[in-house]
Amino acid sequence: DVKVTQSSRYLVKRTGEKVFLECVQDMDHENMFWYRQDPGLGLRLIYFSYDVKMKEKGDIPEGYSVSREKKERFSLILESASTNQTSMYLCASSRLPQGSNTEAFFGQGTRLTVV
Amino acid sequence: AQTVTQSQPEMSVQEAETVTLSCTYDTSESDYYLFWYKQPPSRQMILVIRQEAYKQQNATENRFSVNFQKAAKSFSLKISDSQLGDAAMYFCAYEGGNTGNQFYFGTGTSLTVIP
Repeated sequence: DVKVTQSSRYLVKRTGEKVFLECVQDMDHENMFWYRQDPGLGLRLIYFSYDVKMKEKGDIPEGYSVSREKKERFSLILESASTNQTSMYLCASSRLPQGSNTEAFFGQGTRLTVV
Repeated sequence: AQTVTQSQPEMSVQEAETVTLSCTYDTSESDYYLFWYKQPPSRQMILVIRQEAYKQQNATENRFSVNFQKAAKSFSLKISDSQLGDAAMYFCAYEGGNTGNQFYFGTGTSLTVIP
């Protein structure tokens, strides 16, 4: 079974703190993604990476950065947490599409509250 | 960015009945993938069904089937013989070859199954 593991299910941080959300996948996938999930807005892409040290901005990258030093690990960084970053964060990974064999695999999500 | 639209924020169905969830998308690509994901209260996103755009035949997975209308850019999910365990948030998603293997999601439909 493919596993995508996020380091925390629940996290409470203070405004202005630097926050690290970690994600690890064990299937040697090339692509990794960070999404933010808010009620009524669905999943919005923050950043994605298609290779080690490579990153691309998604639709809402402001206030976030990412790091991918190893293929299996993709970190989301909130440089200075703000209350409007209170949300559910989902990490996902996928391999490069090969015929019909494509799918995004998700972690269990991190519910972040910034107070 | 590609646009994926789910116009039904909430749906309900009687146990053992059939329900159809709607999804439309906007793209200029000819080759792409479409997905339905399920997110139960546990928050773990699970792939329900996928469809390759170049395949005319609608995908089927047990009680789940899709109605893929490529010209209309429509991709609905039909759940037959609904069960209590089908209660969840359902997300429609798009992945295109020219979008860097990004997955774009709709805003979701919350499905309630009434005993």
